[in-house]
Amino acid sequence: AQSVSQHNHHVILSEAASLELGCNYSYGGTVNLFWYVQYPGQHLQLLLKYFSGDPLVKGIKGFEAEFIKSKFSFNLRKPSVQWSDTAEYFCAVNARGNFNKFYFGSGTKLNVKP
Amino acid sequence: EAQVTQNPRYLITVTGKKLTVTCSQNMNHEYMSWYRQDPGLGLRQIYYSMNVEVTDKGDVPEGYKVSRKEKRNFPLILESPSPNQTSLYFCASSRRQGSYEQYFGPGTRLTVT
Repeated sequence: AQSVSQHNHHVILSEAASLELGCNYSYGGTVNLFWYVQYPGQHLQLLLKYFSGDPLVKGIKGFEAEFIKSKFSFNLRKPSVQWSDTAEYFCAVNARGNFNKFYFGSGTKLNVKP
Repeated sequence: EAQVTQNPRYLITVTGKKLTVTCSQNMNHEYMSWYRQDPGLGLRQIYYSMNVEVTDKGDVPEGYKVSRKEKRNFPLILESPSPNQTSLYFCASSRRQGSYEQYFGPGTRLTVT
């Protein structure tokens, strides 16, 4: 079975600091990659996704992620975080063979101090 | 407004008492899925459905049932709930299979005593 690892469980940053959240997956074939965000009291919503093409993808609210196939990684970045970025972030993957099955990481809680 | 709705939002029940959590979407999506979220484990897929009358198991299907008789609805059934099914449950839908963005419901917090 596939697995997704998010090594940072809890990150605390001050406003304007740069953010990088790690995500590694275990499948060696073709994958689709996603980052979802869950703001306090809200639904999960899609931040960005990678299917193919340019490995650097840009999402909403200034987030971006880079797919590095050789490292099985899809790290999320933001150059300057805001207090409103406080949320839990989930990396997810599905894979060729069965795109209907999704695998999520355990999540990273980000607290941004004003 | 495009949305996925779940009911109830909160439920406390006792071991063995059958329950159903409803999920409905108004976006005419073919694909629907159920997840449970537990601390430190993230979201784990329980069941998914590719279309009406087509369902399949996710990673953690034991103790759950689903049905998809109509395109908009995808109820999750716990025939004999146990305390280890205490969790936060999310329903999601998307246009087709997993290459598309999933839209999530607000979640149902279930406690089984």
